[in-house]
Amino acid sequence: DTEVTQTPKHLVMGMTNKKSLKCEQHMGHRAMYWYKQKAKKPPELMFVYSYEKLSINESVPSRFSPECPNSSLLNLHLHALQPEDSALYLCASSQVGAGWRKGETQYFGPGTRLLVL
Amino acid sequence: DQQVKQNSPSLSVQEGRISILNCDYTNSMFDYFLWYKKYPAEGPTFLISISSIKDKNEDGRFTVFLNKSAKHLSLHIVPSQPGDSAVYFCAASVGTSGSRLTFGEGTQLTVNP
Repeated sequence: DTEVTQTPKHLVMGMTNKKSLKCEQHMGHRAMYWYKQKAKKPPELMFVYSYEKLSINESVPSRFSPECPNSSLLNLHLHALQPEDSALYLCASSQVGAGWRKGETQYFGPGTRLLVL
Repeated sequence: DQQVKQNSPSLSVQEGRISILNCDYTNSMFDYFLWYKKYPAEGPTFLISISSIKDKNEDGRFTVFLNKSAKHLSLHIVPSQPGDSAVYFCAASVGTSGSRLTFGEGTQLTVNP
């Protein structure tokens, strides 16, 4: 099973709303990631969790709040977003560390298409 | 600063012919390179990777070539099939953790029947 699932598939929210994106994997991966992708642009890394601890925050505004409740789940809490935050939000997971040398990679979910009005 | 560049936003080839997608990078610390394929409304799917200690890696119809001196890699698809039509992203990482992938801007490949 190399599947990363994300819910919801689509989300429309107002600038005053609070919503959450969810991501789940059961591959035993201990690294999980949030990316943001705008149309016709590459995915941009937002956060990395390693062993359920936040290891990388790419200077993301505080209106995005990640959470890793356990090794299989990753959430992204959204509050007071701006229209320019509308994008595809991708979750990914991978092995940590030397997995790269074994040909490991990051496995991506299908994404949540977010529209902020 | 775009450290990974895919200079061709689109490529169109005939079914059965070779597709060659190119990628250039500027950071000499990159030591692991990957290609992802992305269909609309789906997340990127891993295709093939190569470590900087190699210059070629092959997997079925897909071959990745790495030229470290030129800081260039390419993905060859032979023979191309209509189902290969997708956006292809080149990505690179530094070190053993692999946590931070830097992506190129992608190339839209269209394979015409």
